[in-house]
Amino acid sequence: EAGVTQSPTHLIKTRGQQATLRCSPISGHTSVYWYQQALGLGLQFLLWYDEGEERNRGNFPPRFSGRQFPNYSSELNVNALELEDSALYLCASSLYIGGATGELFFGEGSRLTVL
Amino acid sequence: SQELEQSPQSLIVQEGKNLTINCTSSKTLYGLYWYKQKYGEGLIFLMMLQKGGEEKSHEKITAKLDEKKQQSSLHITASQPSHAGIYLCGADSSGGSNYKLTFGKGTLLTVNP
Repeated sequence: EAGVTQSPTHLIKTRGQQATLRCSPISGHTSVYWYQQALGLGLQFLLWYDEGEERNRGNFPPRFSGRQFPNYSSELNVNALELEDSALYLCASSLYIGGATGELFFGEGSRLTVL
Repeated sequence: SQELEQSPQSLIVQEGKNLTINCTSSKTLYGLYWYKQKYGEGLIFLMMLQKGGEEKSHEKITAKLDEKKQQSSLHITASQPSHAGIYLCGADSSGGSNYKLTFGKGTLLTVNP
C-alpha cells in the first residue's frame, strides 16, 4: 500500500514568489495535516483538512493557505514568500472516525528554500 | 532507514496513576522529539532530547534519553484526563543535516476519571 506522498521533494523560490506543495494521503484516509519544521524547531501545525473542509489551522498568517480535493489529496500554498518560510513541510494523513483522529502517517516532506 | 518502535501501542490508566511510554531506535539518535496529538489540534511539541543521559521535564511529564542514545522514555506522573491523546516520538538520525524526522507509530493514552 502506498504511503503518503509529497511533491516536490525540493523547491527553491525567491522572496515574494508563491510556492505550491502537494500531498496525496494513504488510500482511505480522509484527514490531511500540514506541518512546518523550520531550522532547529519542532513541528509546527499548519492546517488540518477533512472531507474537503478546513477543520483547523495553526498560528500562521493568511498567506499560508490550502485546500483538499474530492480525492482527499491536498495542496498547500504559500504566497509572498519570506526568507523565514524556508523549512521542511510535512504532510500527514489519518483516518478521522467519530470525532477522533487515528494514527498519523507522515510523508517524506517537501523542503522549501527561499532565497 | 531509521525505525522507531513505541510501546505500548495503547494504554488505559486511571486518573492519578503514573505511566511510562518507551521509544526504541535501531540506530543512534541525534535528536529525539516527543509530540502529543490532541483532537483537532495536530501535533503538539513536548520536548527534544539530544545528549546521552539527558533528561527534561515539563510540568508532570519527564522525558529521558539513555546513554547510548537509542532509547527514550516519557513518564507522566499523576496522570490527568488532559494528558489523554496520542504520544509520538520522532527522531532525526541524519546527524542534523537535513532535519528529516522519522516518527514512531504513536501510543494512544486514555485516562479515565
